[in-house]
Amino acid sequence: SQQGEEDPQALSIQEGENATMNCSYKTSINNLQWYRQNSGRGLVHLILIRSNEREKHSGRLRVTLDTSKKSSSLLITASRAADTASYFCATQRSGNTPLVFGKGTRLSVIA
Amino acid sequence: DAGVTQSPTHLIKTRGQQVTLRCSPISGHKSVSWYQQVLGQGPQFIFQYYEKEERGRGNFPDRFSARQFPNYSSELNVNALLLGDSALYLCASSLILGYNEQFFGPGTRLTVL
Repeated sequence: SQQGEEDPQALSIQEGENATMNCSYKTSINNLQWYRQNSGRGLVHLILIRSNEREKHSGRLRVTLDTSKKSSSLLITASRAADTASYFCATQRSGNTPLVFGKGTRLSVIA
Repeated sequence: DAGVTQSPTHLIKTRGQQVTLRCSPISGHKSVSWYQQVLGQGPQFIFQYYEKEERGRGNFPDRFSARQFPNYSSELNVNALLLGDSALYLCASSLILGYNEQFFGPGTRLTVL
């Protein structure tokens, strides 16, 4: 079963614009991770945010976590055509439990 | 450094057949996990192995089995294939059990006809 639910399912923006994707989950977590997947290939780890953190940055990525609302958001600033991919959130209930993924958001960045 | 490798890249089987998928983790990584990703969905956890022992199993039937070898590589076996087993099978490795970041391989695309 899938715990995370990304919103929107699909997003299309112009190059240079910001892209925001949201993730909601159901149970308490140890951490939440965001992954990118290009064209149905392997997933690339983007960022991990722990349950006691509220915001994290990595380059053009900004992730927030609101454990009271059981939700997270991923912001990609100044998007590029190369950012076109599917983005998944994944939660871990504890450090040694498997990741539980959402269905993903398909992002298209138009040059 | 080589990343996680998986073989084969693509595979076509018919219903009822058996398949074996292979995964080599990043050098030094001792934990391997397997995920199934059906088209349009997120990956779903199948197995986790650490130090050659099964440490977790997802909600998959007994037709799915796996093992981890002394060199930490792993195999996923699926028996009596069904059309619904068609998916991308992803392997992920991590340094140790409890290490949060998982590194994924490119996957094996299995098509069952």
